[in-house]
Amino acid sequence: NAGVTQTPKFRILKIGQSMTLQCTQDMNHNYMYWYRQDPGMGLKLIYYSVGAGITDKGEVPNGYNVSRSTTEDFPLRLELAAPSQTSVYFCASNHPAGTHQPQHFGDGTRLSIL
Amino acid sequence: LAKTTQPISMDSYEGQEVNITCSHNNIATNDYITWYQQFPSQGPRFIIQGYKTKVTNEVASLFIPADRKSSTLSLPRVSLSDTAVYYCLVGDPRGIKAAGNKLTFGGGTRVLVKP
Repeated sequence: NAGVTQTPKFRILKIGQSMTLQCTQDMNHNYMYWYRQDPGMGLKLIYYSVGAGITDKGEVPNGYNVSRSTTEDFPLRLELAAPSQTSVYFCASNHPAGTHQPQHFGDGTRLSIL
Repeated sequence: LAKTTQPISMDSYEGQEVNITCSHNNIATNDYITWYQQFPSQGPRFIIQGYKTKVTNEVASLFIPADRKSSTLSLPRVSLSDTAVYYCLVGDPRGIKAAGNKLTFGGGTRVLVKP
């Protein structure tokens, strides 16, 4: 049971480069999320999706884009990498219905922009 | 979304009980309280969730007073492997739309368990 899988695990980018962080889940969850976590800090929501074809901004969306063409996949794109985007990125998923619906997280992508 | 406040860090010893309190003064009627645990180089992992009074599972207990303005996560008889960051999250289980497009974990509480 894979759960939420993120690739790559580590990446170093140069300023101005672009890249896509991949996230896939095999739990048939409708909701998916992207967070960033800066050193010693909590998680901040970048973008989320409530289903295929539907995405919306979270708390810190600037500099990022997302798409959701399938239920399983929710890639995060950085178009023009900046040093301020150095962080650990986590993808998560869950179902919205019911009371016990914790988010399931991947193990993160560590991104350094130099 | 209710703002949460937790202690930055706590130290404990193996075999002791650890209690972490989270303040959420402006919790809304539909909000549930959820706790996550995060080890280094891993994503957060769900521990426990509750709405009021007390909830217990095989890992922890969650105590919520009647006014629901705070909650306490209790970890019984901790071991070295319980060293982690613990996050309190308050939100509406109907989903992020109801939470106003915000899901804020806050800084969490770093728990260090010593031998």
